[in-house]
Amino acid sequence: GQNIDQPTEMTATEGAIVQINCTYQTSGFNGLFWYQQHAGEAPTFLSYNVLDGLEEKGRFSSFLSRSKGYSYLLLKELQMKDSASYLCAVVDSNYQLIWGAGTKLIIKP
Amino acid sequence: GAVVSQHPSWVICKSGTSVKIECRSLDFQATTMFWYRQFPKQSLMLMATSNEGSKATYEQGVEKDKFLINHASLTLSTLTVTSAHPEDSSFYICSARSSAPYEQYFGPGTRLTVT
Repeated sequence: GQNIDQPTEMTATEGAIVQINCTYQTSGFNGLFWYQQHAGEAPTFLSYNVLDGLEEKGRFSSFLSRSKGYSYLLLKELQMKDSASYLCAVVDSNYQLIWGAGTKLIIKP
Repeated sequence: GAVVSQHPSWVICKSGTSVKIECRSLDFQATTMFWYRQFPKQSLMLMATSNEGSKATYEQGVEKDKFLINHASLTLSTLTVTSAHPEDSSFYICSARSSAPYEQYFGPGTRLTVT
């Protein structure tokens, strides 16, 4: 079966750095997405990785290792508005998105 | 980025009635549209996938006669919840995908409350 694992919940302090991990086992791989979802809202796109390595975009960075079936989302200089759920999703061999359950990130002052 | 709109953003209806939700891709052609449902504090659950001009593919456990999906054009898909019941109350989110690079753009969601 296909499986995506990410922690259920994480807590971090405003101004700090947090890393949210995602491991996956899917039938084929055509890229990995990270989405942010605030409570009561639809997900918004953060990043897309298809090749190994680190992609940096402002305060957010995403890393991928295809050989390890592993990705992480790194958030720097945390702000209170970063409190949200972060969803990891993998594109499988049929180009379907397989979703993780999401990681709820709580930012404390 | 691409824009997907959804209408209405929220709706309250009585049990037994039907509700139609529209999903539009505003600035790109969506070859594939997806309908998700999300209950409070739970992850997204894919309900169905629809390709323009063909019948939708429903996920296991989703009643196709209850959740009617129409994807008549490359910019519009509709989800009709027929004979709604209180347990259908949820947050319904559509997303649209072009032929490449397979990124999904989400609509803002529709909050349905069935009384």
